[in-house]
Amino acid sequence: AQSVTQLGSHVSVSEGALVLLRCNYSSSVPPYLFWYVQYPNQGLQLLLKYTSAATLVKGINGFEAEFKKSETSFHLTKPSAHMSDAAEYFCAVTLRGNQGGKLIFGQGTELSVKP
Amino acid sequence: EPEVTQTPSHQVTQMGQEVILRCVPISNHLYFYWYRQILGQKVEFLVSFYNNEISEKSEIFDDQFSVERPDGSNFTLKIRSTKLEDSAMYFCASSVALNTEAFFGQGTRLTVV
Repeated sequence: AQSVTQLGSHVSVSEGALVLLRCNYSSSVPPYLFWYVQYPNQGLQLLLKYTSAATLVKGINGFEAEFKKSETSFHLTKPSAHMSDAAEYFCAVTLRGNQGGKLIFGQGTELSVKP
Repeated sequence: EPEVTQTPSHQVTQMGQEVILRCVPISNHLYFYWYRQILGQKVEFLVSFYNNEISEKSEIFDDQFSVERPDGSNFTLKIRSTKLEDSAMYFCASSVALNTEAFFGQGTRLTVV
């Protein structure tokens, strides 16, 4: 069965510092991988997705993630944090050919950005 | 920009009562989903729906739950007899095709008292 683990429920960085949010997955077949962001009192918004094209994926708001099959990882990075990046971030996986299309989510990482 | 809309944003109900959570998916989308997030826990898949039938459901989605697409625009989740442990944020999502980006609504916070 597939699963997603996000290391660190809370991450705090200073404005302008590197953001690194970790995600590892477990899947018996090649997965599709996603990062979603949730701002307070809002729904989940897609940041980026990996669907077997380039392993380095660029998303919105300057975020990117790299799919590393050997490490079963899909870590999210941003070179320079902005105050507006403060939110909860969720990594998710779905299996190719999954007839239902369900997403399996990690437990989320809350990102705080200090001035 | 098209978006998924959910109503109500917050619902309080007494234990044992029936609730219906409503969603309007994006109009050209074909796949519809319900997820829930209990406070402090991860987002969990409940059910997916395609071509007017359930495609997949989780263990959470027992006989107390049902989904319906009563017309061309709405997608509803019904809980027949609510329990305290049903208190959660419920998210509706839709996608244009399988394994493509799922667009989420803002959620309905259900509180069972």
